This record gives sequence, structure tokens and C-alpha cells, in this order.
Amino acid sequence: DTAVSQTPKYLVTQMGNDKSIKCEQNLGHDTMYWYKQDSKKFLKIMFSYNNKELIINETVPNRFSPKSPDKAHLNLHINSLELGDSAVYFCASSQEVPGSGIYNEQFFGPGTRLTVL
Amino acid sequence: AQKITQTQPGMFVQEKEAVTLDCTYDTSDQSYGLFWYKQPSSGEMIFLIYQGSYDEQNATEGRYSLNFQKARKSANLVISASQLGDSAMYFCAMRGLAGGTSYGKLTFGQGTILTVHP
Repeated sequence: DTAVSQTPKYLVTQMGNDKSIKCEQNLGHDTMYWYKQDSKKFLKIMFSYNNKELIINETVPNRFSPKSPDKAHLNLHINSLELGDSAVYFCASSQEVPGSGIYNEQFFGPGTRLTVL
Repeated sequence: AQKITQTQPGMFVQEKEAVTLDCTYDTSDQSYGLFWYKQPSSGEMIFLIYQGSYDEQNATEGRYSLNFQKARKSANLVISASQLGDSAMYFCAMRGLAGGTSYGKLTFGQGTILTVHP
């Protein structure tokens, strides 16, 4: 059973197009994330959602709009794609326990490799 | 702000030998968690091991152990009895308390590419 799934796995598109990446987790977690891994393999958080509520927006251009229809899904829509958006985008999820000092691991999806031509 | 530094861009090890991957961190948080992830060439991110800042014992998971030295702010990963399948990129990461504007945020290091030779 896939814990965190993303579609599509590969996405090749032209500059200026709009595209979406979907993410679903079946772990019952309450928090989901989007990370971006650039060409140098550096990973950086973009957004986090807790129970469908946006918690972190890490100075991402507003061309990127996450949407969480329910706590098992977190989609990423990107408008007016630019060459610099080419990267691997990872969705992740975890179960948070606020104030407990417990840090559960984040489970990552397989990644979506986005190539903007 | 949190910062993770991995100073070894690449490491080589002979099969069946042990190897240590370095990680140092900087944070003003009193409570935090440290993680190691493995990324093979296939691209997925695999969780390996976790250490809480208040844990007194070093974490171990099978062939993986975390050498946690709080005063030196280091959290090195030790892989014992290396196998060919251990060849991958390894990331050290940290996070602070859930809650607030950094809710759940993992901060990653630059990664270390490990190559295991037969």
C-alpha cells in the first residue's frame, strides 16, 4: 500500500503554462507539506498544512497555490510556469503532537519531476 | 532560525566497513528533533533514524546509529557493515516544536553522496 502518493511522476511543459500536482496520504496524518528539491539536490520547504489550514508559506511566489480539500489531500497548482520552476517537488505528511516535544518523522511521496521548457 | 551543515559532499567506503557521515546544526530552540534521510538514485526519500534533543541515549536502528553530541551541536550518522545498496545521497535534517510559524518545518543540510565500493 502506498503511504504518500503523488501524480504525475513526471511533468514536462512549456513556459507560461499552468499545471497541478496532486498528493494523497493514507496514513491518517493531520499535517502535509510541499518541498522543492532543486538541481543541486537542495531540499526546501514550501508549504505546510495542518487539518486543511495553511500553516507555513515559505516566501514562495504567489504563482504557487496549494489547496487542501481534506486532510488526506494536498494539491499544488502552479500558474505561469517559469524555467526556474524546474525541480523535483515532494509531498510529505506527518502526525503532529503540538507542545509534546514529540517529533514524528515525515513520510515523503515519490516526488514529481517538473521540467519547464 | 535553524541551520544544518553537512561538510562532506562525497564519501567513499569499502563494502562491510563502517562509515560516519557528519552533520552539525545550529538552533536557538531548546527542544528539537534531528533526522537522517536516504535518497537513492531512484529519487525517493527514505527515513532512517531520529534523535530528540532531550534523548539521553544515542538512537540506533539496525545498522544505523546516530552519534549525538549536544554540546558540540553534532548529529553524525554511523552506518556499520556497509552494503552496496547503501550507495545514495544522505540528508541530515532538523525541526523544532510543533506549533507556531515553523509548524513541522524540516530544515535540510546539503546532503552527502555515499559510494560503497565492492
